[in-house]
This record gives sequence, C-alpha cells and structure tokens, in this order.
Amino acid sequence: SAVISQKPSRDICQRGTSLTIQCQVDSQVTMMFWYRQQPGQSLTLIATANQGSEATYESGFVIDKFPISRPNLTFSTLTVSNMSPEDSSIYLCSVGAGFINEQFFGPGTRLTVL
Amino acid sequence: GENVEQHPSTLSVQEGDSAVIKCTYSDSASNYFPWYKQELGKRPQLIIDIRSNVGEKKDQRIAVTLNKTAKHFSLHITETQPEDSAVYFCGANQAGTALIFGKGTTLSVSS
Repeated sequence: SAVISQKPSRDICQRGTSLTIQCQVDSQVTMMFWYRQQPGQSLTLIATANQGSEATYESGFVIDKFPISRPNLTFSTLTVSNMSPEDSSIYLCSVGAGFINEQFFGPGTRLTVL
Repeated sequence: GENVEQHPSTLSVQEGDSAVIKCTYSDSASNYFPWYKQELGKRPQLIIDIRSNVGEKKDQRIAVTLNKTAKHFSLHITETQPEDSAVYFCGANQAGTALIFGKGTTLSVSS
C-alpha cells in the first residue's frame, strides 16, 4: 500500500486563526479524502479532494471553513479556517484507487484550538 | 447517501472468548465492507474486508460475514487476546466513493 505522510503531526492554535494540513503520498493515487475524528468519536468524511477541480463536500462541511487543494495525484491540503475550540480534532487524509474500494489512512494531524 | 450503524459501542470479553461486532448499511449499491482496527493514538488499520459477491471471509482468528439481503455484516474474532483490545470501525462504500464508517466499538480483552 501507499506510504502516506501528513504535516504537521500536531499543533496548538489560537481561535480565529487558520491551519493548513498537508498530505503527501509516495505514489499517484486516484482518490484522496479528508476525515475528521473528534475525541472518542468515529471517522467523519469532510470531503473528497478532486484533482484539478473543486473538492466535493459532505453535508455539514463548507468550502469557506475547510478549503481543500489537490494540485496533483500525490498531494493535497486541508485548511481549517477561523478556528474555534470545536475544531479540536484529529484530521486524517485517506487515499484509494478509483477502481477498487480499499482506503488507507495517513497518520493524522492532532489539532487543539485554545 | 450511505448510513452505517454499528453495535455494540463497547464490548468486554475474557481472553480466549469470542467477540462479535455487527453493522448494518443502508445503500444497496454499496459493495465493499471493510473493518479497521484503531489503537490509541494510531491511525485506523485495515484488518479484513469483504466484497458483495462473497458471503464469508476468514483470516486466521478473524472472520467477516455478509448478508446482502438483510444489509448487515459482522466481524468475528475468536480466541481473543489482550492485544485485540482497540476500537474497531466498520465501513461501507462502492468503488470510486469514500468509505462511510460506523460509530465504532471499543473492545476490551481482559486476561
């Protein structure tokens, strides 16, 4: 499976600021996704990062709050904008191939907003 | 869209016992059903999966069964060991779409 890295691994931020999380894969992948995992909770899909076009957001998530870029088949960023303490979570990128279903996860970014 | 329900939310067993976790899904178009294990502070790891053309799959002490008609699938762990203690998530999707996950089951295996 692909090797997936995320930066930063963790951060502590002040409310009202923004943080950009990077996801890098060691091989080209068709599908890239961003998930949020709040403390003690499940994995909630934020959006599908589409290469060359706008991301597709799930209900409850909007582009102004979580802008996503995907400039190529190995890299994506998720920005958490105008942060509040409720945004404190682990953010995980996940990759898969379009013709098969398996997904693999990056190590996650642990975000704490004060 | 897809909705996945998972039960129980917590499960405590004695070492050597079996553990069963159950999930139901809503979208009849879903054709792939994986199980992930997440240890504290780690990323979710795929441990076993099943596709809609198969009714059962086994890998050593773990097995997954699928009932397409009833839209439910289950994870079975036999001869549980303390290192099986973790949170387990079931998921569902169809090719080209993101996995949707259940709420998770915290499995505790006591020795």
